[in-house]
Amino acid sequence: QVQLQQSGPEVVRPGVSVKISCKGSGYTFTDYAMHWVKQSHAKSLEWIGIISYNGNTNYNQKFKGKATMTVDKSSSTAYMELARLTSEDSAIYYCARGRAGKDYFGYWGQGTTLTVSS
Amino acid sequence: DIKMTQSPSSMYASLGERITITCKASQDIYSYLSWFQQKPGKSPKTLIYRANRLVDGVPSRFSGSGSGQDYSLTISSLDYEDMGIYYCLHYDEFPYTFGGGTKLEIK
Repeated sequence: QVQLQQSGPEVVRPGVSVKISCKGSGYTFTDYAMHWVKQSHAKSLEWIGIISYNGNTNYNQKFKGKATMTVDKSSSTAYMELARLTSEDSAIYYCARGRAGKDYFGYWGQGTTLTVSS
Repeated sequence: DIKMTQSPSSMYASLGERITITCKASQDIYSYLSWFQQKPGKSPKTLIYRANRLVDGVPSRFSGSGSGQDYSLTISSLDYEDMGIYYCLHYDEFPYTFGGGTKLEIK
Protein backbone atom coordinates (compact mmCIF):
# COMPACT_ATOMS: atom_id res chain seq x y z
CA GLN A 1 0.00 0.00 0.00
CA VAL A 2 1.09 3.55 -0.62
CA GLN A 3 2.83 5.14 2.34
CA LEU A 4 4.55 8.45 2.89
CA GLN A 5 6.70 8.18 6.00
CA GLN A 6 7.91 11.46 7.39
CA SER A 7 10.75 12.12 9.81
CA GLY A 8 10.07 12.69 13.48
CA PRO A 9 9.29 15.83 15.47
CA GLU A 10 11.90 18.55 15.73
CA VAL A 11 12.56 21.06 18.49
CA VAL A 12 15.11 23.65 17.44
CA ARG A 13 16.46 27.05 18.38
CA PRO A 14 15.64 30.18 16.40
CA GLY A 15 18.05 30.98 13.61
CA VAL A 16 19.04 27.43 12.71
CA SER A 17 17.90 25.27 9.78
CA VAL A 18 16.12 21.95 9.79
CA LYS A 19 15.64 19.28 7.15
CA ILE A 20 12.49 17.16 7.07
CA SER A 21 12.19 13.97 5.05
CA CYS A 22 9.35 12.09 3.39
CA LYS A 23 9.97 8.56 2.15
CA GLY A 24 7.56 7.10 -0.36
CA SER A 25 6.83 3.40 -0.60
CA GLY A 26 4.29 1.10 -2.23
CA TYR A 27 4.37 2.92 -5.56
CA THR A 28 6.73 3.93 -8.35
CA PHE A 29 8.36 7.05 -6.95
CA THR A 30 9.28 8.43 -10.38
CA ASP A 31 5.62 8.45 -11.49
CA TYR A 32 4.69 11.15 -9.01
CA ALA A 33 5.70 14.47 -7.56
CA MET A 34 5.66 15.55 -3.92
CA HIS A 35 3.95 18.55 -2.42
CA TRP A 36 4.75 20.16 0.90
CA VAL A 37 2.08 21.81 3.05
CA LYS A 38 2.32 23.86 6.24
CA GLN A 39 -0.39 23.72 8.90
CA SER A 40 -0.26 26.29 11.65
CA HIS A 41 -2.84 27.66 14.04
CA ALA A 42 -2.40 31.15 12.66
CA LYS A 43 -2.62 30.46 8.93
CA SER A 44 -4.32 27.06 8.79
CA LEU A 45 -3.12 25.27 5.61
CA GLU A 46 -0.60 26.74 3.17
CA TRP A 47 0.89 25.14 0.08
CA ILE A 48 4.68 25.46 0.13
CA GLY A 49 5.57 23.93 -3.20
CA ILE A 50 6.00 20.88 -5.38
CA ILE A 51 9.05 18.88 -6.44
CA SER A 52 9.09 16.29 -9.20
CA TYR A 53 11.13 13.08 -9.05
CA ASN A 54 13.81 14.71 -11.23
CA GLY A 55 14.16 17.75 -8.97
CA ASN A 56 12.06 20.30 -10.85
CA THR A 57 10.45 22.62 -8.35
CA ASN A 58 7.73 25.22 -8.10
CA TYR A 59 7.53 27.28 -4.92
CA ASN A 60 4.83 29.40 -3.37
CA GLN A 61 6.44 32.86 -3.58
CA LYS A 62 5.78 33.27 0.13
CA PHE A 63 8.18 30.41 0.94
CA LYS A 64 10.98 31.27 -1.47
CA GLY A 65 14.12 31.75 0.57
CA LYS A 66 12.56 29.90 3.50
CA ALA A 67 12.01 26.41 2.08
CA THR A 68 14.28 24.37 -0.18
CA MET A 69 12.93 21.13 -1.60
CA THR A 70 15.15 18.32 -2.84
CA VAL A 71 14.64 14.72 -3.82
CA ASP A 72 16.70 11.53 -3.84
CA LYS A 73 15.02 9.15 -6.24
CA SER A 74 17.48 6.39 -5.37
CA SER A 75 15.93 6.22 -1.91
CA SER A 76 12.42 7.43 -2.94
CA THR A 77 12.75 10.28 -0.48
CA ALA A 78 11.78 13.93 -0.70
CA TYR A 79 13.31 16.52 1.59
CA MET A 80 12.45 20.02 2.65
CA GLU A 81 14.92 22.26 4.41
CA LEU A 82 13.64 25.28 6.30
CA ALA A 83 16.17 28.03 6.91
CA ARG A 84 16.65 30.78 9.50
CA LEU A 85 13.88 29.46 11.67
CA THR A 86 11.66 31.71 13.75
CA SER A 87 8.65 31.02 15.96
CA GLU A 88 6.43 31.63 12.93
CA ASP A 89 7.84 28.47 11.38
CA SER A 90 6.48 26.36 14.24
CA ALA A 91 3.87 24.19 12.57
CA ILE A 92 3.06 20.74 11.29
CA TYR A 93 4.54 20.07 7.87
CA TYR A 94 3.01 17.49 5.59
CA CYS A 95 4.19 15.91 2.38
CA ALA A 96 1.50 14.83 -0.06
CA ARG A 97 1.73 12.87 -3.29
CA GLY A 98 0.43 14.12 -6.59
CA ARG A 99 1.39 13.93 -10.23
CA ALA A 100 3.21 16.79 -11.92
CA GLY A 101 0.58 18.94 -13.58
CA LYS A 102 -2.91 19.54 -12.27
CA ASP A 103 -3.38 16.67 -9.88
CA TYR A 104 -4.91 16.29 -6.46
CA PHE A 105 -3.19 15.03 -3.30
CA GLY A 106 -3.91 11.33 -3.31
CA TYR A 107 -1.92 10.46 -0.22
CA TRP A 108 -0.55 12.41 2.72
CA GLY A 109 2.31 11.79 5.10
CA GLN A 110 1.62 11.65 8.82
CA GLY A 111 3.09 15.11 9.37
CA THR A 112 6.24 16.40 11.05
CA THR A 113 5.83 18.76 13.99
CA LEU A 114 8.39 21.54 14.12
CA THR A 115 8.76 23.63 17.26
CA VAL A 116 11.05 26.63 17.17
CA SER A 117 11.81 27.81 20.66
CA SER A 118 14.67 29.32 22.59
CA ASP B 1 -3.15 34.16 -5.78
CA ILE B 2 -6.61 32.63 -5.95
CA LYS B 3 -8.56 33.15 -2.73
CA MET B 4 -10.79 30.31 -1.54
CA THR B 5 -13.67 31.45 0.68
CA GLN B 6 -15.18 28.54 2.56
CA SER B 7 -18.40 28.59 4.56
CA PRO B 8 -19.59 28.05 7.14
CA SER B 9 -16.53 28.13 9.40
CA SER B 10 -18.28 25.84 11.84
CA MET B 11 -21.54 23.97 12.10
CA TYR B 12 -23.48 21.62 14.29
CA ALA B 13 -25.64 18.94 12.72
CA SER B 14 -27.62 15.90 13.80
CA LEU B 15 -26.95 12.28 12.90
CA GLY B 16 -28.74 11.46 9.65
CA GLU B 17 -28.94 15.10 8.59
CA ARG B 18 -27.91 16.30 5.12
CA ILE B 19 -25.24 19.00 5.24
CA THR B 20 -23.52 21.16 2.66
CA ILE B 21 -20.26 23.08 2.81
CA THR B 22 -19.36 25.60 0.14
CA CYS B 23 -16.20 27.07 -1.34
CA LYS B 24 -16.03 30.07 -3.60
CA ALA B 25 -12.91 30.80 -5.61
CA SER B 26 -11.90 34.33 -6.50
CA GLN B 27 -11.75 33.26 -10.16
CA ASP B 28 -12.72 30.35 -12.36
CA ILE B 29 -10.76 27.24 -11.30
CA TYR B 30 -12.21 24.92 -13.96
CA SER B 31 -13.23 22.22 -11.45
CA TYR B 32 -9.67 21.71 -10.19
CA LEU B 33 -11.04 21.50 -6.68
CA SER B 34 -10.65 18.87 -4.01
CA TRP B 35 -12.11 18.35 -0.55
CA PHE B 36 -10.32 16.97 2.52
CA GLN B 37 -11.39 15.75 5.92
CA GLN B 38 -9.11 16.13 8.89
CA LYS B 39 -9.65 14.61 12.32
CA PRO B 40 -7.85 15.78 15.47
CA GLY B 41 -4.21 14.75 15.51
CA LYS B 42 -4.43 13.14 12.06
CA SER B 43 -3.25 14.12 8.61
CA PRO B 44 -5.84 15.23 6.06
CA LYS B 45 -7.67 12.64 4.01
CA THR B 46 -8.75 13.45 0.48
CA LEU B 47 -12.44 12.77 -0.20
CA ILE B 48 -13.23 14.38 -3.54
CA TYR B 49 -11.15 15.52 -6.49
CA ARG B 50 -11.92 17.31 -9.75
CA ALA B 51 -14.91 18.81 -7.94
CA ASN B 52 -17.13 15.72 -8.05
CA ARG B 53 -15.03 12.54 -8.24
CA LEU B 54 -15.02 10.35 -5.15
CA VAL B 55 -11.70 8.94 -4.02
CA ASP B 56 -11.72 5.14 -3.84
CA GLY B 57 -12.93 3.90 -0.47
CA VAL B 58 -14.74 7.09 0.51
CA PRO B 59 -18.36 6.43 1.53
CA SER B 60 -20.96 7.26 -1.10
CA ARG B 61 -22.77 9.62 1.30
CA PHE B 62 -20.08 12.15 0.34
CA SER B 63 -20.51 14.03 -2.91
CA GLY B 64 -19.10 17.12 -4.57
CA SER B 65 -20.51 19.48 -7.12
CA GLY B 66 -19.90 22.83 -8.71
CA SER B 67 -18.14 24.57 -11.54
CA GLY B 68 -16.54 27.89 -12.33
CA GLN B 69 -16.01 29.65 -9.02
CA ASP B 70 -18.59 27.87 -6.86
CA TYR B 71 -18.29 24.42 -5.32
CA SER B 72 -19.92 22.40 -2.60
CA LEU B 73 -19.40 19.26 -0.54
CA THR B 74 -22.51 17.41 0.61
CA ILE B 75 -22.87 14.65 3.16
CA SER B 76 -26.25 13.06 2.47
CA SER B 77 -26.78 11.43 5.86
CA LEU B 78 -24.42 12.46 8.64
CA ASP B 79 -22.63 9.70 10.48
CA TYR B 80 -20.82 10.05 13.81
CA GLU B 81 -17.48 9.34 12.13
CA ASP B 82 -17.93 12.41 9.92
CA MET B 83 -16.94 14.79 12.71
CA GLY B 84 -13.86 16.78 11.86
CA ILE B 85 -12.64 19.73 9.87
CA TYR B 86 -13.24 19.93 6.13
CA TYR B 87 -11.11 21.93 3.73
CA CYS B 88 -11.28 22.72 0.05
CA LEU B 89 -8.20 23.14 -2.10
CA HIS B 90 -7.87 24.47 -5.62
CA TYR B 91 -5.12 23.09 -7.84
CA ASP B 92 -5.78 25.00 -11.03
CA GLU B 93 -2.59 27.06 -10.96
CA PHE B 94 0.37 27.78 -8.68
CA PRO B 95 0.23 28.61 -5.87
CA TYR B 96 -2.44 26.16 -4.76
CA THR B 97 -4.57 27.62 -1.97
CA PHE B 98 -6.86 26.18 0.67
CA GLY B 99 -10.16 27.28 2.09
CA GLY B 100 -10.20 28.30 5.74
CA GLY B 101 -11.91 25.11 6.88
CA THR B 102 -15.31 24.08 8.26
CA LYS B 103 -15.46 22.48 11.68
CA LEU B 104 -18.30 19.96 11.72
CA GLU B 105 -19.64 18.85 15.07
CA ILE B 106 -22.45 16.51 15.93
CA LYS B 107 -25.38 17.85 17.95
